[in-house]
Amino acid sequence: DIQMTQSPSSLSASVGDRVTMTCRASRNIGRYLNWYQQKSGKAPKLLIYGASSLQGGVPSRFSGGGSGTDFTLTISSLQLEDFATYYCQQSYSSAFTFGPGTTVDIE
Amino acid sequence: QVQLVQSGAEVKKPGASVKVSCQTSGYTFTTYDITWVRQVSGHGLEWMGRINPSSHDTQYAQKFQGRVTMTRSTAISTAYMELSSLTFEDTAVYYCARGDRALDFWGQGTLVLVSS
Repeated sequence: DIQMTQSPSSLSASVGDRVTMTCRASRNIGRYLNWYQQKSGKAPKLLIYGASSLQGGVPSRFSGGGSGTDFTLTISSLQLEDFATYYCQQSYSSAFTFGPGTTVDIE
Repeated sequence: QVQLVQSGAEVKKPGASVKVSCQTSGYTFTTYDITWVRQVSGHGLEWMGRINPSSHDTQYAQKFQGRVTMTRSTAISTAYMELSSLTFEDTAVYYCARGDRALDFWGQGTLVLVSS
């Protein structure tokens, strides 16, 4: 199976900050990488698919980049509602796997 | 609007089986895979597998091979996930989600508690 890692595991930030987190795949997955946001007690929400395509209804402050093994999720100006855990997921191999997540909390 | 509504919480004893349902509406059931993901409390998301409702083809994570069965009823646009030989480590929230590569709509989650 393809292993996914994320860094940092958590970060503290303030409203208005620019935040970037990374996701790394254990081998080349092209652009088959999705990002999800999960708030406590809720189901995950798809933010980005295909490494950089914004899911409908997702604010444009979210952006994704990268290809191959290294990917990023950037929030250009952090809002209160963005404090959550973010997961990447590879959809390259037949057995899709998630990263362990990055939790964004209030500084 | 697209909705996935899951069955209610379950309490099971070790060794038992559980079957969770995922009733869909708002789209043509057979045009999107249904994927199952679980989450142990305080932990990350774990991909369990998926089913193609049209062909009934399934793909399971190696970890659950032999213990999980995913099925569907096209007549009522509902997918099912059955997990057998439950252990305490199977206590988790189980989600269904629409899609194969990207999961764009999710159910509300079903808590399965394995307790003696």
